[in-house]
Amino acid sequence: EPEVTQTPSHQVTQMGQEVILRCVPISNHLYFYWYRQILGQKVEFLVSFYNNEISEKSEIFDDQFSVERPDGSNFTLKIRSTKLEDSAMYFCASSETRTGLTEAFFGQGTRLTVV
Amino acid sequence: DAKTTQPNSMESNEEEPVHLPCNHSTISGTDYIHWYRQLPSQGPEYVIHGLTSNVNNRMASLAIAEDRKSSTLILHRATLRDAAVYYCIDNTDKLIFGTGTRLQVFP
Repeated sequence: EPEVTQTPSHQVTQMGQEVILRCVPISNHLYFYWYRQILGQKVEFLVSFYNNEISEKSEIFDDQFSVERPDGSNFTLKIRSTKLEDSAMYFCASSETRTGLTEAFFGQGTRLTVV
Repeated sequence: DAKTTQPNSMESNEEEPVHLPCNHSTISGTDYIHWYRQLPSQGPEYVIHGLTSNVNNRMASLAIAEDRKSSTLILHRATLRDAAVYYCIDNTDKLIFGTGTRLQVFP
């Protein structure tokens, strides 16, 4: 069964450093998403991406965050200058069409720890 | 914020049916109702979705009220592997997760 893969599974970084979280969505999918989950809290929407541009973003997704699809397979989330409160699980997801119409597939997540 | 309402937790015994309720009284006429679940230490996983008619798949059944203001996810025979947080989402173009229902399954 096709799956969304995320790397690394765990990333530790120092406060103020830049991090890039990587995702390989399912190959025929056109819509891509990033979510985060702070330990013990709910899954929060960050951003959706379609046709090489951001479709929608949440209030969390401020100027410190950016997304990119640098080639035909990868989808990345960059945090420019990490803060302690960025520590969380980050999930990438993809779907064939808008999630209103079809299912989204999630990766296993990257645990980001900012120290 | 999520616009659905679910009980915080439910319990079931193994091999018994489980009915997980959800209220989505503000759902628009064209939005599907989606259910996802999150197993411990994993990413969310799609379970089922529907618009008006009841739906079945290999994982579960979805019963949608005639007025579409509520729905019920039915696990026909709960297993220990079904222990998870179940999310009901009245979806637009992005999935907004609420706090969901934590299902515990006892042997």
